[in-house]
Amino acid sequence: DTEVTQTPKHLVMGMTNKKSLKCEQHMGHRAMYWYKQKAKKPPELMFVYSYEKLSINESVPSRFSPECPNSSLLNLHLHALQPEDSALYLCASSARTELNYGYTFGSGTRLTVV
Amino acid sequence: EDQVTQSPEALRLQEGESSSLNCSYTVSGLRGLFWYRQDPGKGPEFLFTLYSAGEEKEKERLKATLTKKESFLHITAPKPEDSATYLCAVQAPGETSGSRLTFGEGTQLTVNP
Repeated sequence: DTEVTQTPKHLVMGMTNKKSLKCEQHMGHRAMYWYKQKAKKPPELMFVYSYEKLSINESVPSRFSPECPNSSLLNLHLHALQPEDSALYLCASSARTELNYGYTFGSGTRLTVV
Repeated sequence: EDQVTQSPEALRLQEGESSSLNCSYTVSGLRGLFWYRQDPGKGPEFLFTLYSAGEEKEKERLKATLTKKESFLHITAPKPEDSATYLCAVQAPGETSGSRLTFGEGTQLTVNP
């Protein structure tokens, strides 16, 4: 299995709702990431988990709350979002070996905040 | 601070018309340079990783090359299905696991039949 799976693919939520994005990988990668991508812009890093511990938080507002329950799963909990938070949210995972560095993205969750 | 600049921003080609995309980078010790293809509304699809100057990799109609300052993605005899945004990214040094990628703005490629 060489995929990163994200659910749901699409999400519409109101500004008072609480929702969660989910990400799963079974490649044995021990680093997992959340990126945010606005239209016609490159992905921007939000969070990095390394061995299930938060290692990088790019000064993301507290209305975004990441969670890494185990080495295969990554969640992003959403609460009290703003319309400007509407974007494509991408999960990725990576692993370093002697010969290569794999860095794989999921297909993303298209989030619309109304 | 790592910087990645891609050119051109947009490129229109006729089917079969070969061309190259450029990625210039400034990084304090390159660990890896990545090329991705991204279709609208989808996640980036991995194409290549290059690690050292002089390295080349090929996949179907695509060939990626790397120098100390830039990388090129050569597209030979493109087809309409090659239309996508091509992203270049560099990997920061120093972290043994959990390493951020710094992306360029991308080149939007359109191949007309």
